[in-house]
Amino acid sequence: EVQLVQSGAEVKKPGESLKISCKGSGYSFTTYWIGWVRQMPGKGLEWMGIIYPGDSTTRYSPSFEGQVTISADKSINTAYLQWSSLKAPDTAMYYCARLKEFSSSSGFFDYWGQGNLVTVSS
Amino acid sequence: SYEVTQPPSVSVSPGQTASITCSGDKLGDKYACWYQQKPGQSPVLVIYQDSKRPSGIPERFSGSNSGNTATLTISGTQARDEADYYCQAWDSSTHVVFGGGTKLTVL
Repeated sequence: EVQLVQSGAEVKKPGESLKISCKGSGYSFTTYWIGWVRQMPGKGLEWMGIIYPGDSTTRYSPSFEGQVTISADKSINTAYLQWSSLKAPDTAMYYCARLKEFSSSSGFFDYWGQGNLVTVSS
Repeated sequence: SYEVTQPPSVSVSPGQTASITCSGDKLGDKYACWYQQKPGQSPVLVIYQDSKRPSGIPERFSGSNSGNTATLTISGTQARDEADYYCQAWDSSTHVVFGGGTKLTVL
């Protein structure tokens, strides 16, 4: 059974750093891209970026490039999303999801993690 | 950058057919997919590659994509189908593009 298990909820202060994780199991972790998706309170889904754990190739949404870092450790089947200096507007639910069918014409997320709620408040 | 647009809300009576649209320039030339998200839950893929249903998704969910519009159709809508629905397109340069979401109300 394919599973993506994310680390728990986080409460941080502005300016603090944070790294959240997404551990995959039940499939070959290194051969599927993993994506990160933000959902701010009461808002829609926003794509942040994707990573190929096999060689750590990344692609970022222009909206998030330079704002976050996506990485992966294939030895432990885990992808990460990190911030060096959090801001209050980073308060959101963050989902990881497995990307199926990465090609020039098709890509969709077939399995999703349970989400990481990140709260940034002074 | 590529964008897709959805209506903020759609209402349907139980047992009737609900149609949710997703519009984008020449969207029919790309693949579209749809996710269902219920309150407090992670999104679930209900349609991929325009019209394919993942295992476990009821047959009442169907999809189409032509011209500038992709459509998610729910036949015989049930109360349990009340949720937010997001379309997603795949663009060769932008990669993932989500629509703003449509709140489906079954009343």
